Amino acid sequence: EIVLTQSPGTLSLSPGERATLSCRASQSVSSFLAWYQQKPGQAPRLLIYGSSSRATGIPDKFSGSGSGTDFTLTISRLEPEDFAVYYCQQYAKSRQTFGGGTKVEIK
Amino acid sequence: EVQLVQSGAEVKKPGESLKISCKGSGYSFTSYWIGWVRQMPGKGLEWMGIIYPGDSDTRYSPSFQGQVTISADKSISTAYLQWSSLKASDTAVYYCARRGGSSDYWTHWGQGTLVTVSS
Repeated sequence: EIVLTQSPGTLSLSPGERATLSCRASQSVSSFLAWYQQKPGQAPRLLIYGSSSRATGIPDKFSGSGSGTDFTLTISRLEPEDFAVYYCQQYAKSRQTFGGGTKVEIK
Repeated sequence: EVQLVQSGAEVKKPGESLKISCKGSGYSFTSYWIGWVRQMPGKGLEWMGIIYPGDSDTRYSPSFQGQVTISADKSISTAYLQWSSLKASDTAVYYCARRGGSSDYWTHWGQGTLVTVSS
């Protein structure tokens, strides 16, 4: 099983700041990596797939990068609605897995 | 508009059976894989398995194989997740989700079904 490790566990930032979230895979997943945002009481929402492609309707303040084992989700300028938990997911193997999540909280 | 609408919250006792549902609309239900994802209280996301409603091809995560059954009724555009004997550790929110296309990322999600198992 491919293990995804997300860091940091919690990111405390102020609105307007830049957020950089990391996801590291235990083995190469090429570019088969997605990012999701989840707010309390809501279902996850797809932000990024294929490591760097934005999903439909996702604003360009969200960007993804990386390949192989190291990936990054960047939120250029945090707005109040961006404070949430973010998960990465690999789908390189038939047994897909999710990372443990990074909580982005208001400082 | 693509929509996945899940059945309502359930409260069950250990040992009871349960079947929850996920109804798709706004797209060709038989043409996209549907997956199920578990989220235990305060925890992250876990992939459970997927089904292709067109031919009922089903695949399970090893962690959930034998613990649940995934099925679909294409005549009513509905996928199901069922348990034959619930345990307290099955308490969680369960999401269904539709695959984006040819790869296993999930573009559309149901609203989630909270299953509470308690004596």
